[in-house]
Amino acid sequence: DTGVSQNPRHKITKRGQNVTFRCDPISEHNRLYWYRQTLGQGPEFLTYFQNEAQLEKSRLLSDRFSAERPKGSFSTLEIQRTEQGDSAMYLCASSPKGRGSETQYFGPGTRLLVL
Amino acid sequence: AQTVTQSQPEMSVQEAETVTLSCTYDTSENNYYLFWYKQPPSRQMILVIRQEAYKQQNATENRFSVNFQKAAKSFSLKISDSQLGDTAMYFCAFMKPNYQLIWGAGTKLIIKP
Repeated sequence: DTGVSQNPRHKITKRGQNVTFRCDPISEHNRLYWYRQTLGQGPEFLTYFQNEAQLEKSRLLSDRFSAERPKGSFSTLEIQRTEQGDSAMYLCASSPKGRGSETQYFGPGTRLLVL
Repeated sequence: AQTVTQSQPEMSVQEAETVTLSCTYDTSENNYYLFWYKQPPSRQMILVIRQEAYKQQNATENRFSVNFQKAAKSFSLKISDSQLGDTAMYFCAFMKPNYQLIWGAGTKLIIKP
C-alpha cells in the first residue's frame, strides 16, 4: 500500500504566474485534505473533500485558490496570480472511511517559492 | 474558536533520557480527537499517537505515551528512552467535528548523542 504522493515536490515560480499541484491519496481513502505550512509554523487547514465533494473551505483559501477532486481520487490545488506570500509548503493528507477515519496520513508536501 | 498551544518552542535531551512535550487546547466540544505528529527534518508528517476524548485511559504506542487531562484541556507527550531518530518537530493537533485539524506551533526536539 503506497502512501500519499504529491507532485511536484518543489516549485519555483515568478510572481503573477499560475501553479498547480497534484495529490494522490492512499487508495480507497475517501477524504482528502489540503493544508499550508509556513516555515516554523504548524499547518493551516485550507480545504477538505469527501469523495468528489468539497465540504469545507478555509477563509485562507482566497479567490486565487481553487481545488478540485473530479472523480473522487486525485486532487489538484491551483493558485492563480501567485504572490510572494504564497510561498509555503502545501501538504495533502487523506483518511479512510469507517474505522480509523479520524486519522489523516500526510504526503511529503510541495514546497512553493514565489520570486 | 478552538486553539492549540505548545509552550515549548525547542527542547533538547540526551539520548536514552525521557522527555515530556506539553500541549494545551481550548474547545467547547465534548467528543473529539487529539493527535501528536512528528515531522523530521525535510521529511513528511508522521502520526505518533492519538487519543479519543471520551476514553479516560491514556494512549500508549511503544516508547510514546500521553497524559490526557480532559478537565484541564492538557495533552502532553512523553517519550521514553529517547533515540537519535526522535529528533524532529513535534506538533500537537485537535480535530474538530468536521475533520479539520487545528495545529499548535510545534516543539523542536533535539536528541543529543
